[in-house]
Parts: sequence; C-alpha cells; structure tokens
Amino acid sequence: EVQLVESGGGSVQPGGFLRLSCAASGFTFSSFAMSWVRQAPGKGLEWVSGLSSSGDHIYYADSVKGRSTVSRDNSKNTLYMQLNTLSAEDTAVYFCAKSAGYNFGLPQYYFDSWGQGALVTVSS
Amino acid sequence: EIVLTQSPGTLSLFPGERVTLSCRASQSVSSNYLAWYQQKPGQAPRLLIYGASRRATGVPDRFRGSGSGTEFTLIISRLEPEDFAVYFCQQYATSPYVFGQGTKLEIK
Repeated sequence: EVQLVESGGGSVQPGGFLRLSCAASGFTFSSFAMSWVRQAPGKGLEWVSGLSSSGDHIYYADSVKGRSTVSRDNSKNTLYMQLNTLSAEDTAVYFCAKSAGYNFGLPQYYFDSWGQGALVTVSS
Repeated sequence: EIVLTQSPGTLSLFPGERVTLSCRASQSVSSNYLAWYQQKPGQAPRLLIYGASRRATGVPDRFRGSGSGTEFTLIISRLEPEDFAVYFCQQYATSPYVFGQGTKLEIK
C-alpha cells in the first residue's frame, strides 16, 4: 500500500520559512516523479512544485518560484520542500502527491496517491 | 500558462440524478492530458479520471470523462450519496500543472 506522510507543518511568522518532508513507502520511490500541492482554507487545489524521479528536472508555480526549493533523497524515500519569505497567502494544507506514471518515457504529473497533508499557518 | 475554468461552481442535486461537470481550458490541452479528482471534506483528493476519459483503478463506471482540446466533461450517471463532494480538473500537459477552481456537488 502506498503511503505518503507529510511532516514539518505548524505556525510560522510572516517572513519566516517552512521546511516540509514527505516520507514515502509502499512503492519504488526512486521511480516516480513527485509534487507538492497546497490548499488554502476553504479554497481549491494549487499545484506548487514538481520533481522528476531523479531530481534532475524541477518545476515551480509562479507563486513560489524564487523562494522555494524542492528536493528528494531517494536513499531515504523522502521528498522535501523549503519555502522562504512566507506570507499569509502561504497558509494552506500542503500535500505531497505521487505522479501516476510515465508515457513515452516522460513523467505524467497527475496524481494517484496523496498524503494526508500538513497544515502551515503563517501568522504573527 | 493554461487556465482551467470549471462550471458550475455549485450544483444542488438529488441522489439518483445525472450530472455533467464542465472544465474549459484557455488553450488546447495536448494529448488530452486532463485529470479529474474528487475531494471530500478533510480528505486528500482522489484520482477519478486521467487522459480525459480513462477511469483510475477502483473508480465506479458511473463516472465517465470525455472531451478534447479545450472542452472536457465529467459525467456521473446516477449520483450516489457518497458522490457529494468537490470535483477538480487538472491539466498535466505542461507546467504549471494547474487545477480548476472546483465544482461542489451538494445534496438537495
């Protein structure tokens, strides 16, 4: 069974940073692209960043580009995201999500497994 | 960046009814790389449809996706009580892999 468990959420002051982790199990982590998706309270889903299976290819949404770093440690089956210069607009539940597979050798960034989410609240 | 617009925002329906949800893209979604998800309160999203029309594993056949280019639909042929939730479409053809704003199905 695929399991994704996020950690590192909590309350952060404006201007601060967060570092989230996502521990994966139940599948060959090193073979799948991964993403972070967030959801502000009462709002829709926002794709934030994506990372290829090797970590060579990284993509960011404009809303976090320049202040976010996503990485992975395939030896530890763990995905990470650091987000700097936080504002109230970054308050959200942050999900890690597993890409479903490949097509013609290219990762497909739709998601067949999700973590339970980590709540990040940016407030003074 | 592709923008996805879902309509309607909210639908109030009775169990047993048929419903059609719409997802319109601001530009063509290549290879019909369009997915649909269901989300219930307090839960992570659940993949329903990928490739515009392919049901994910374990998804009941009352869920059907269709469409191409810029117009996509999700049809639920006969609503079950557990289908009342929020539905999101997502394009995965090109980064950023955006979601639509969602359609909420409410029990009438």
